[in-house]
Amino acid sequence: SQTIHQWPATLVQPVGSPLSLECTVEGTSNPNLYWYRQAAGRGLQLLFYSVGIGQISSEVPQNLSASRPQDRQFILSSKKLLLSDSGFYLCAWSGGGKDTGELFFGEGSRLTVL
Amino acid sequence: GQNIDQPTEMTATEGAIVQINCTYQTSGFNGLFWYQQHAGEAPTFLSYNVLDGLEEKGRFSSFLSRSKGYSYLLLKELQMKDSASYLCAVMDSNYQLIWGAGTKLIIKP
Repeated sequence: SQTIHQWPATLVQPVGSPLSLECTVEGTSNPNLYWYRQAAGRGLQLLFYSVGIGQISSEVPQNLSASRPQDRQFILSSKKLLLSDSGFYLCAWSGGGKDTGELFFGEGSRLTVL
Repeated sequence: GQNIDQPTEMTATEGAIVQINCTYQTSGFNGLFWYQQHAGEAPTFLSYNVLDGLEEKGRFSSFLSRSKGYSYLLLKELQMKDSASYLCAVMDSNYQLIWGAGTKLIIKP
């Protein structure tokens, strides 16, 4: 069966510090991968998605970046965090192609920037 | 622009029935999803509608009317564990998901 894991689950970082969130998927190949951010009381905001290794699409201009060094690994990074980067970050995968598009989410990472 | 509207919060009584509405305006339509999200946790898939009508899955049902840009999620025999946020999302013509802000459902004994 397919599983998705992301870490760390919780982190508190000072403004200006770097960030690295990692996500891995097991049990499937060539998944579509996504990074979302969820702010309190707001819908899920798509940050990045990837349909293959090295293929990253950015939906929102910001100080975040994403990389996909391996087929089932997706990394969200920042060189210098801003206060506005605080939020709940979710990694997700889907089967790709014109299927139903059901997303399977990781456990989430709660980031607090102080 | 693309827009998904759903109520911010609803309250219902344990054992009762509640209907959560979702209206959408998107560029194209390739299906509508409902997800459940407990506080502090990731969303989990509940239902998918791409054709008009009602899809029933146990205590949960989801309805879609494409001509009206409207869907609802119906929860029957409410249990305390159903207290959660319910997210409506529409897949547009580019197969991208557009998300609503979610409806927080509070269940009272």
